[in-house]
Amino acid sequence: GEQVEQRPPHLSVREGDSAIIICTYTDSATAYFSWYKQEAGAGLQLLMSVLSNVDRKEEQGLTVLLNKKDKRLSLNLTAAHPGDSAVYFCAVRTTGFASALTFGSGTKVIVLP
Amino acid sequence: NSKVIQTPRYLVKGQGQKAKMRCIPEKGHPVVFWYQQNKNNEFKFLINFQNQEVLQQIDMTEKRFSAECPSNSPCSLEIQSSEAGDSALYLCASSLSWASAETLYFGSGTRLTVL
Repeated sequence: GEQVEQRPPHLSVREGDSAIIICTYTDSATAYFSWYKQEAGAGLQLLMSVLSNVDRKEEQGLTVLLNKKDKRLSLNLTAAHPGDSAVYFCAVRTTGFASALTFGSGTKVIVLP
Repeated sequence: NSKVIQTPRYLVKGQGQKAKMRCIPEKGHPVVFWYQQNKNNEFKFLINFQNQEVLQQIDMTEKRFSAECPSNSPCSLEIQSSEAGDSALYLCASSLSWASAETLYFGSGTRLTVL
């Protein structure tokens, strides 16, 4: 089945700096890619999702890059601010009927003032 | 912002007790997923529905868990006899369709503690 590796597990950045989180996946049938943010004690907030026909997507200070050849997905938080402090998860799905998401192991991001 | 509503927010049960949690999917979303997130941030898919019909479920869910999504009522997930290992955050998500390209929106979760 699908295996997703996410790194780094922890990331500290200064306010205004960028932070990059990377996920690699194994299944070439992976068709849907997403990033979620989870603040302490809360559920999952969808940040961005892309399909396999998209290489790059930017929204509100976030950039998602998809490299299908290398099976790599990245999230770039540009100009981080303290409100970005949270745990971030990538989550992917393969094509297929009602396929479940496979999650990365999470990256705890701390933005220092 | 997601409009998936989960209740209760926190649930504390003794071993062997039943634990029931509810989920109201986003309006117009016929597909519902339940996931379990443990303290190590590992996610486990439990079951999914399209309207009232179960689409897929894992073995654990078949044996000790029961779930339903009745029409005009919240979806529910119930653990028949709670075990310590069931302590986790239970997340409900909904989507417009079962297609793999469809986005899943999650609720805030029910945090179950089994003493």
